[in-house]
Amino acid sequence: NAGVMQNPRHLVRRRGQEARLRCSPMKGHSHVYWYRQLPEEGLKFMVYLQKENIIDESGMPKERFSAEFPKEGPSILRIQQVVRGDSAAYFCASSPSSGRATDTQYFGPGTRLTVL
Amino acid sequence: SQQGEEDPQALSIQEGENATMNCSYKTSINNLQWYRQNSGRGLVHLILIRSNEREKHSGRLRVTLDTSKKSSSLLITASRAADTASYFCARYLRDDKIIFGKGTRLHILP
Repeated sequence: NAGVMQNPRHLVRRRGQEARLRCSPMKGHSHVYWYRQLPEEGLKFMVYLQKENIIDESGMPKERFSAEFPKEGPSILRIQQVVRGDSAAYFCASSPSSGRATDTQYFGPGTRLTVL
Repeated sequence: SQQGEEDPQALSIQEGENATMNCSYKTSINNLQWYRQNSGRGLVHLILIRSNEREKHSGRLRVTLDTSKKSSSLLITASRAADTASYFCARYLRDDKIIFGKGTRLHILP
């Protein structure tokens, strides 16, 4: 059973371009979470999705950021018109069932975004 | 921090010694989980302790939870070079939010 997969592992973008980060959850998992980690910082929650539904996006900036988890295919975190401050590691996690309070989350290896 | 801290921020010990990391929190938790992150990698789940538990063991890992002090500790016994990593405490709150701290960077010296 493959773990959570994220691609690309490293992404370089110039200011103003779009960044698309992909996350494939573990087999059988229908809940996906996105986190951002700045250097020397802990993870900050961004968004929680189930298939075709955004459950909680309270941690996601209101502008330029969007996330989706379609019925088929991976979850996508999209950052439009990137700025230098978006440079960070973006981690995706998945869990098998509902109830964030009790489920262990399984993390992917992360995508390191560098904005030039 | 509004949700508590982990300490120390960094810890260097000799191989074979025990390493202790602490995590504090400020609001009620459902459970608390410890994760490890090797440099440049994703997080790996280590151990979960529920709010009604006081101590859990897993191999060389021992986690304690003191709800009266709102704190938890992770003890790694007989440390090895491979234990060099960052260790994060994830506070699973009753309102379904999960809060990670900045972590403790553990370095095991040969």
